[in-house]
Amino acid sequence: NAGVTQTPKFQVLKTGQSMTLQCAQDMNHNSMYWYRQDPGMGLRLIYYSASEGTTDKGEVPNGYNVSRLNKREFSLRLESAAPSQTSVYFCASSEALGEHQFFGPGTRLTVL
Amino acid sequence: KQEVTQIPAALSVPEGENLVLNCSFTDSAIYNLQWFRQDPGKGLTSLLLIQSSQREQTSGRLNASLDKSSGRSTLYIAASQPGDSATYLCAVTSGTYKYIFGTGTRLKVLA
Repeated sequence: NAGVTQTPKFQVLKTGQSMTLQCAQDMNHNSMYWYRQDPGMGLRLIYYSASEGTTDKGEVPNGYNVSRLNKREFSLRLESAAPSQTSVYFCASSEALGEHQFFGPGTRLTVL
Repeated sequence: KQEVTQIPAALSVPEGENLVLNCSFTDSAIYNLQWFRQDPGKGLTSLLLIQSSQREQTSGRLNASLDKSSGRSTLYIAASQPGDSATYLCAVTSGTYKYIFGTGTRLKVLA
Protein backbone atom coordinates (compact mmCIF):
# COMPACT_ATOMS: atom_id res chain seq x y z
CA ASN A 1 0.00 0.00 0.00
CA ALA A 2 2.05 2.94 -1.31
CA GLY A 3 -0.55 5.67 -0.63
CA VAL A 4 -0.01 8.63 -2.97
CA THR A 5 2.97 8.49 -5.33
CA GLN A 6 4.35 11.25 -7.53
CA THR A 7 6.86 11.28 -10.37
CA PRO A 8 9.32 12.75 -10.95
CA LYS A 9 10.81 13.85 -7.60
CA PHE A 10 12.90 16.61 -9.17
CA GLN A 11 12.80 18.35 -12.54
CA VAL A 12 14.59 21.26 -14.17
CA LEU A 13 13.02 22.88 -17.23
CA LYS A 14 13.89 25.75 -19.50
CA THR A 15 11.35 28.51 -20.08
CA GLY A 16 8.84 27.40 -22.72
CA GLN A 17 9.33 23.65 -22.27
CA SER A 18 6.42 21.43 -21.38
CA MET A 19 6.10 18.55 -18.97
CA THR A 20 3.58 16.39 -17.14
CA LEU A 21 3.66 15.59 -13.44
CA GLN A 22 2.20 12.22 -12.61
CA CYS A 23 0.22 11.25 -9.51
CA ALA A 24 -1.34 7.94 -8.52
CA GLN A 25 -3.13 6.71 -5.41
CA ASP A 26 -3.99 3.17 -4.34
CA MET A 27 -6.53 3.99 -1.61
CA ASN A 28 -9.56 3.88 -3.93
CA HIS A 29 -10.20 7.55 -3.22
CA ASN A 30 -12.69 9.49 -5.30
CA SER A 31 -11.16 12.97 -5.01
CA MET A 32 -7.71 14.12 -6.02
CA TYR A 33 -5.93 17.48 -5.86
CA TRP A 34 -2.88 19.34 -7.12
CA TYR A 35 -1.24 22.02 -4.95
CA ARG A 36 1.82 24.18 -5.23
CA GLN A 37 3.86 25.29 -2.23
CA ASP A 38 5.92 28.47 -2.33
CA PRO A 39 7.91 30.06 0.52
CA GLY A 40 5.73 32.35 2.60
CA MET A 41 2.61 31.52 0.57
CA GLY A 42 1.49 28.21 2.04
CA LEU A 43 -0.13 25.60 -0.16
CA ARG A 44 -2.42 26.81 -2.92
CA LEU A 45 -4.86 24.63 -4.83
CA ILE A 46 -4.24 24.49 -8.58
CA TYR A 47 -6.88 22.01 -9.77
CA TYR A 48 -8.95 19.28 -8.22
CA SER A 49 -11.06 16.34 -9.30
CA ALA A 50 -14.08 15.55 -7.18
CA SER A 51 -14.54 12.18 -8.85
CA GLU A 52 -13.42 10.27 -11.90
CA GLY A 53 -14.38 12.17 -15.03
CA THR A 54 -14.59 15.62 -13.43
CA THR A 55 -12.02 18.38 -12.93
CA ASP A 56 -12.33 21.91 -11.59
CA LYS A 57 -10.13 24.96 -11.18
CA GLY A 58 -8.70 25.86 -7.83
CA GLU A 59 -7.13 29.10 -6.64
CA VAL A 60 -4.22 29.32 -9.14
CA PRO A 61 -5.07 27.36 -12.34
CA ASN A 62 -3.48 29.65 -14.96
CA GLY A 63 -0.70 27.97 -16.95
CA TYR A 64 -1.75 24.45 -15.98
CA ASN A 65 -3.98 21.68 -17.29
CA VAL A 66 -5.04 18.44 -15.66
CA SER A 67 -6.30 15.03 -16.65
CA ARG A 68 -8.10 12.53 -14.43
CA LEU A 69 -6.98 9.50 -16.40
CA ASN A 70 -8.90 7.02 -14.24
CA LYS A 71 -9.82 6.70 -10.58
CA ARG A 72 -6.18 6.15 -9.58
CA GLU A 73 -4.33 8.71 -11.65
CA PHE A 74 -4.42 12.52 -11.86
CA SER A 75 -1.80 14.31 -13.96
CA LEU A 76 -0.77 17.97 -14.08
CA ARG A 77 0.60 19.45 -17.30
CA LEU A 78 2.61 22.61 -17.84
CA GLU A 79 2.27 23.48 -21.52
CA SER A 80 4.84 26.29 -21.62
CA ALA A 81 6.80 26.54 -18.38
CA ALA A 82 7.61 29.95 -16.90
CA PRO A 83 10.04 30.86 -14.07
CA SER A 84 7.00 31.80 -11.93
CA GLN A 85 6.06 28.11 -11.95
CA THR A 86 9.18 27.18 -10.00
CA SER A 87 7.72 25.55 -6.94
CA VAL A 88 7.13 22.32 -5.07
CA TYR A 89 4.06 20.50 -6.37
CA PHE A 90 2.02 18.18 -4.19
CA CYS A 91 -0.69 15.75 -5.16
CA ALA A 92 -3.27 14.67 -2.59
CA SER A 93 -6.31 12.44 -2.44
CA SER A 94 -9.33 11.95 -0.20
CA GLU A 95 -12.29 9.65 -0.07
CA ALA A 96 -14.58 12.55 -0.94
CA LEU A 97 -14.29 16.31 -1.28
CA GLY A 98 -13.40 18.00 1.99
CA GLU A 99 -12.54 14.75 3.74
CA HIS A 100 -9.24 13.65 5.25
CA GLN A 101 -6.49 14.40 2.70
CA PHE A 102 -3.42 12.27 2.11
CA PHE A 103 -0.40 13.79 0.39
CA GLY A 104 2.31 12.54 -1.91
CA PRO A 105 6.03 13.32 -1.34
CA GLY A 106 6.07 16.21 -3.82
CA THR A 107 7.88 17.20 -7.03
CA ARG A 108 10.45 19.97 -6.83
CA LEU A 109 10.33 21.88 -10.14
CA THR A 110 12.76 24.57 -11.24
CA VAL A 111 12.14 26.60 -14.40
CA LEU A 112 15.16 28.48 -15.68
CA LYS B 1 -12.77 35.07 0.94
CA GLN B 2 -11.54 32.62 3.56
CA GLU B 3 -8.12 33.42 5.02
CA VAL B 4 -6.19 31.23 7.42
CA THR B 5 -3.49 32.62 9.70
CA GLN B 6 -1.00 30.82 11.91
CA ILE B 7 0.90 32.69 14.58
CA PRO B 8 3.72 32.48 15.49
CA ALA B 9 5.56 31.66 12.28
CA ALA B 10 8.34 29.99 14.29
CA LEU B 11 8.69 28.65 17.81
CA SER B 12 11.54 27.10 19.82
CA VAL B 13 10.88 25.27 23.07
CA PRO B 14 12.91 23.03 25.39
CA GLU B 15 12.17 19.33 25.40
CA GLY B 16 9.36 18.28 27.72
CA GLU B 17 7.41 21.50 27.49
CA ASN B 18 3.69 21.50 26.70
CA LEU B 19 2.89 23.87 23.85
CA VAL B 20 0.01 25.32 21.87
CA LEU B 21 -0.04 26.20 18.19
CA ASN B 22 -2.69 28.59 16.93
CA CYS B 23 -4.77 28.72 13.77
CA SER B 24 -7.38 31.39 12.99
CA PHE B 25 -9.77 31.69 10.06
CA THR B 26 -11.95 34.54 8.87
CA ASP B 27 -15.12 32.71 7.76
CA SER B 28 -16.71 30.56 10.45
CA ALA B 29 -18.82 28.60 7.93
CA ILE B 30 -16.36 25.74 7.65
CA TYR B 31 -16.96 22.09 6.86
CA ASN B 32 -13.92 20.82 8.74
CA LEU B 33 -10.40 21.72 9.84
CA GLN B 34 -7.32 19.55 9.46
CA TRP B 35 -3.90 19.78 11.11
CA PHE B 36 -0.84 18.53 9.23
CA ARG B 37 2.82 18.04 9.95
CA GLN B 38 5.50 18.66 7.32
CA ASP B 39 9.11 17.61 7.73
CA PRO B 40 11.77 19.45 5.67
CA GLY B 41 11.73 18.37 2.03
CA LYS B 42 8.81 16.03 2.62
CA GLY B 43 5.09 15.88 1.98
CA LEU B 44 2.35 16.58 4.50
CA THR B 45 1.26 14.05 7.09
CA SER B 46 -2.26 14.37 8.43
CA LEU B 47 -2.44 14.62 12.22
CA LEU B 48 -6.03 15.35 13.14
CA LEU B 49 -9.27 16.28 11.39
CA ILE B 50 -12.07 18.04 13.27
CA GLN B 51 -15.54 18.14 11.76
CA SER B 52 -17.46 21.40 12.13
CA SER B 53 -19.82 19.73 14.62
CA GLN B 54 -16.96 18.65 16.88
CA ARG B 55 -15.11 20.63 19.55
CA GLU B 56 -11.92 18.58 19.74
CA GLN B 57 -9.99 15.54 18.57
CA THR B 58 -7.19 13.68 20.32
CA SER B 59 -4.42 11.40 19.10
CA GLY B 60 -1.72 10.38 21.55
CA ARG B 61 0.07 13.51 22.80
CA LEU B 62 -1.85 15.73 20.38
CA ASN B 63 -5.14 17.47 21.04
CA ALA B 64 -6.83 19.79 18.58
CA SER B 65 -9.72 22.04 19.52
CA LEU B 66 -12.10 24.01 17.36
CA ASP B 67 -14.11 27.11 18.20
CA LYS B 68 -16.03 27.99 15.03
CA SER B 69 -17.75 31.06 16.45
CA SER B 70 -14.44 32.75 17.19
CA GLY B 71 -12.71 31.35 14.10
CA ARG B 72 -9.97 29.58 16.03
CA SER B 73 -8.33 26.20 16.40
CA THR B 74 -5.45 25.18 18.64
CA LEU B 75 -3.13 22.21 18.47
CA TYR B 76 -1.86 21.19 21.90
CA ILE B 77 1.29 19.07 22.04
CA ALA B 78 2.03 17.51 25.42
CA ALA B 79 5.53 16.71 26.66
CA SER B 80 7.25 17.85 23.47
CA GLN B 81 10.15 15.81 22.04
CA PRO B 82 12.91 16.66 19.53
CA GLY B 83 11.12 14.36 17.07
CA ASP B 84 8.17 16.79 17.11
CA SER B 85 10.32 19.37 15.32
CA ALA B 86 8.59 20.14 12.02
CA THR B 87 6.30 22.68 10.40
CA TYR B 88 2.67 22.40 11.46
CA LEU B 89 -0.03 23.50 9.02
CA CYS B 90 -3.74 23.93 9.48
CA ALA B 91 -6.27 23.93 6.66
CA VAL B 92 -10.02 24.57 6.53
CA THR B 93 -12.70 23.58 4.06
CA SER B 94 -15.81 25.63 3.51
CA GLY B 95 -18.89 25.15 1.35
CA THR B 96 -16.85 24.62 -1.78
CA TYR B 97 -15.09 21.71 -0.06
CA LYS B 98 -11.71 23.06 -1.06
CA TYR B 99 -8.92 23.32 1.48
CA ILE B 100 -7.43 26.72 2.36
CA PHE B 101 -4.07 26.40 4.11
CA GLY B 102 -2.29 28.58 6.61
CA THR B 103 1.41 29.32 6.12
CA GLY B 104 2.41 27.16 9.06
CA THR B 105 4.30 27.32 12.35
CA ARG B 106 7.88 26.04 12.28
CA LEU B 107 8.49 24.24 15.57
CA LYS B 108 11.89 23.36 16.98
CA VAL B 109 12.10 21.29 20.15
CA LEU B 110 15.52 21.57 21.77
CA ALA B 111 17.09 18.53 23.44
